[in-house]
Amino acid sequence: AQSVTQLDSQVPVFEEAPVELRCNYSSSVSVYLFWYVQYPNQGLQLLLKYLSGSTLVKGINGFEAEFNKSQTSFHLRKPSVHISDTAEYFCAVRNAGGTSYGKLTFGQGTILTVHP
Amino acid sequence: EAGVTQFPSHSVIEKGQTVTLRCDPISGHDNLYWYRRVMGKEIKFLLHFVKESKQDESGMPNNRFLAERTGGTYSTLKVQPAELEDSGVYFCASSQERMGVAKNIQYFGAGTRLSVL
Repeated sequence: AQSVTQLDSQVPVFEEAPVELRCNYSSSVSVYLFWYVQYPNQGLQLLLKYLSGSTLVKGINGFEAEFNKSQTSFHLRKPSVHISDTAEYFCAVRNAGGTSYGKLTFGQGTILTVHP
Repeated sequence: EAGVTQFPSHSVIEKGQTVTLRCDPISGHDNLYWYRRVMGKEIKFLLHFVKESKQDESGMPNNRFLAERTGGTYSTLKVQPAELEDSGVYFCASSQERMGVAKNIQYFGAGTRLSVL
């Protein structure tokens, strides 16, 4: 069984400050890792993904994440946030194969609020 | 190109009634997924279609939930009879991946917010 833990349910931050949203996962098999964002009244949008290769992945809107296999973490970072980054962020994992390859397992979500 | 579309956006029903949610995937996407988020909890997988076949329905909570995808295009998720604990947001996603290749991305709809009173 897989599980994903997002360590902070809410993260308040001031505009132009850096931010890190933390994600840890547990799995007995190889996984792919994702960060999705949900803006109000919209669907989930993919920010970035780790499939293989370089452990530092860059996504849209200036976000990046680093895969750390030994610590089973995939923390999301942005060096300088904007008001428009206010949203809920979800970390997710998928099996790299097997019959349940399509299933995404999500964390509980982190609400990022950027204050002026 | 149109994204994943879900109907209705909101539905309010009474306990014991039936509700049908619809999802139109991105054109050409063979894979369609249903997820649910109950208030205060994480988004949970319900099932996965490959064309019209159910690839994985391990997340379906009970037999009050029936998902169909006739013709391999749009999908419906029927809840009959609805219970209070069925309230939440139901998301649909689609992807273009080939069977057994898990790399492709799932694109999500905006969700249907279901309230059972």
